[in-house]
Amino acid sequence: EAQVTQNPRYLITVTGKKLTVTCSQNMNHEYMSWYRQDPGLGLRQIYYSMNVEVTDKGDVPEGYKVSRKEKRNFPLILESPSPNQTSLYFCASSLRGARTTNEKLFFGSGTQLSVL
Amino acid sequence: GDSVTQMEGPVTLSEEAFLTINCTYTATGYPSLFWYVQYPGEGLQLLLKATKADDKGSNKGFEATYRKETTSFHLEKGSVQVSDSAVYFCALTSGGSNYKLTFGKGTLLTVNP
Repeated sequence: EAQVTQNPRYLITVTGKKLTVTCSQNMNHEYMSWYRQDPGLGLRQIYYSMNVEVTDKGDVPEGYKVSRKEKRNFPLILESPSPNQTSLYFCASSLRGARTTNEKLFFGSGTQLSVL
Repeated sequence: GDSVTQMEGPVTLSEEAFLTINCTYTATGYPSLFWYVQYPGEGLQLLLKATKADDKGSNKGFEATYRKETTSFHLEKGSVQVSDSAVYFCALTSGGSNYKLTFGKGTLLTVNP
């Protein structure tokens, strides 16, 4: 089954404790992206990747890192989480990219992160 | 920059009622327009899209028409069902170096039996 898999689904942590949210897709998609969803703000892009070893900042990259060493995986890293990073996070992918081909994005089920 | 404005929710309807969720946008160039739906506890799914002016996207009884003159992409359905209860997001992509969807804030729809 074609899907985007995020783990964990729920995560509670404390300020300053490094964490990684994993994202994997099995559709051989070139484009992957991370969004955060906050009440009243909708979804905002954190980082995106056009292909292996090609990543760039979205609208709200501060406090986050990403890497794209393999095509299928795009982990989101919070080196020193803070309470303002408490949010619902979504990973998404598409074959070549939302702009270039007007393709749809496939979304993971989300990771609810709470930073205390 | 690009932006999407959706009507504020929540919207509560009875089953078989007519649905309209308004969406207007600001974008450079010629954006493609999308409606995504998020069911409780799930990620977003593409509902429909339109890539040029006057195109009509449709799926599962939902429709939206790309209106360039009014910069709008309103979502409509003639007869909603309880299973349509979800959050609906209007979104766009446009020209530029940042490859992303720009989303509206979302509209929560609740349909009562």
